[in-house]
Amino acid sequence: AQSVAQPEDQVNVAEGNPLTVKCTYSVSGNPYLFWYVQYPNRGLQFLLKYITGDNLVKGSYGFEAEFNKSQTSFHLKKPSALVSDSALYFCAVRGTNDYKLSFGAGTTVTVRA
Amino acid sequence: GAVVSQHPSRVICKSGTSVKIECRSLDFQATTMFWYRQFPKQSLMLMATSNEGSKATYEQGVEKDKFLINHASLTLSTLTVTSAHPEDSSFYICSARQQVPEAFFGQGTRLTVV
Repeated sequence: AQSVAQPEDQVNVAEGNPLTVKCTYSVSGNPYLFWYVQYPNRGLQFLLKYITGDNLVKGSYGFEAEFNKSQTSFHLKKPSALVSDSALYFCAVRGTNDYKLSFGAGTTVTVRA
Repeated sequence: GAVVSQHPSRVICKSGTSVKIECRSLDFQATTMFWYRQFPKQSLMLMATSNEGSKATYEQGVEKDKFLINHASLTLSTLTVTSAHPEDSSFYICSARQQVPEAFFGQGTRLTVV
């Protein structure tokens, strides 16, 4: 079985400050890890993925994530948050031989001006 | 990235009627499409996996006779909510995969049954 935990329902930061959204996962074998962002009444937008290789992955809109195998974590980061980053963020995982994605519960990010 | 188009974005229907939602992969062929349901402020719940030319695989607890899925071509999957009731009101999202690991999502459909 595979699962994702996003321990924080909400993250609030001031514009210009660093943003971190936490994610830990459980999967059999090697993981494929993903971050998606969702704006109100919209589908999910792909931000970045970890498949293999460098543990630090860079994605869209200045986001990056660090894969940590020993801690089974894949935290999303942005050095300087923007008000427009306010949205719902989902971490997702699947095993390399699985076709189903498992999603975390989501973290609502609010960036205040 | 690949584009997945979902239509309609919003639909209101009367209780007892059926509603069809379309999911199209616009610039790639998707052998597998997925249908999710999302409740307010909650995560996505996988309803079914749709493979082109074969019957959909439904997740446990999802009524296959209520949520009819058809994947007639490599670029189109449809979800029909039959005999809709107010409790079927929700946000439905489709996704599709090509040969890359990540899935791409449609814009979602807000279904309201009155």
